[in-house]
Amino acid sequence: QSALTQPASVSGSPGQSITISCTGTSTDVGRYDYVSWYQQHPGKAPQLVIYGVTNRPSGVSNRFSGSKSGNTASLTISGLRPEDEAGYFCSSYTSSDTWVFGGGTKLTVL
Amino acid sequence: QVQLVQSAAEVKKPGASVKVSCKTYGYTLTNHHMHWVRQAPGQGPEWMAIINPSGDLTRYAQKFQGRATVTRDTSTSTVYMELSSLTSEDTALYYCVKDYTGKWTFDYWGQGTLVTVSS
Repeated sequence: QSALTQPASVSGSPGQSITISCTGTSTDVGRYDYVSWYQQHPGKAPQLVIYGVTNRPSGVSNRFSGSKSGNTASLTISGLRPEDEAGYFCSSYTSSDTWVFGGGTKLTVL
Repeated sequence: QVQLVQSAAEVKKPGASVKVSCKTYGYTLTNHHMHWVRQAPGQGPEWMAIINPSGDLTRYAQKFQGRATVTRDTSTSTVYMELSSLTSEDTALYYCVKDYTGKWTFDYWGQGTLVTVSS
């Protein structure tokens, strides 16, 4: 199972919005609404910010939103804050009854 | 609250095995699946394996089939992952991750255990 494809880096200024893409195939992202997104600060464990394509866990800011079209899922962060600077990666359940992750995207808040 | 506390970092020689532990707190281990995920330096995570709530079923990613073994001890609420025939490509941070029941994703992660394979 190949990894999901994410851009290596994105950047934005405080207050702006950014979108990170996550491209898979018809056997994972395109087949199931089981795409999740995680935030990871350096040296810390990942934290779930979006699950089931569009759902936010309790306690996650509504500035985080998710969507999907075909084989590509997206994470949008609106009203960027300095504390949003972190790594972000996606995951998806697959038709092989396994899970696959993206390579990760580093978000820089300018 | 839910906490997953993993064992300390390990340094192993090529060909050796490593066993990483994950002690769980704040929830009932027998009610949830547990996954193991690893992350090599500078790379995205890689899913390795899952064990079911009753502990009698495991499933592994194809690349780890026959080399990884996940077990658990309900008396200590601890899950283990053993990886054998280590090579330098196994150098990574290994995480235990609690399954978010019914959501097909992961909700709580351990702090990670760094396994370094070096001669």
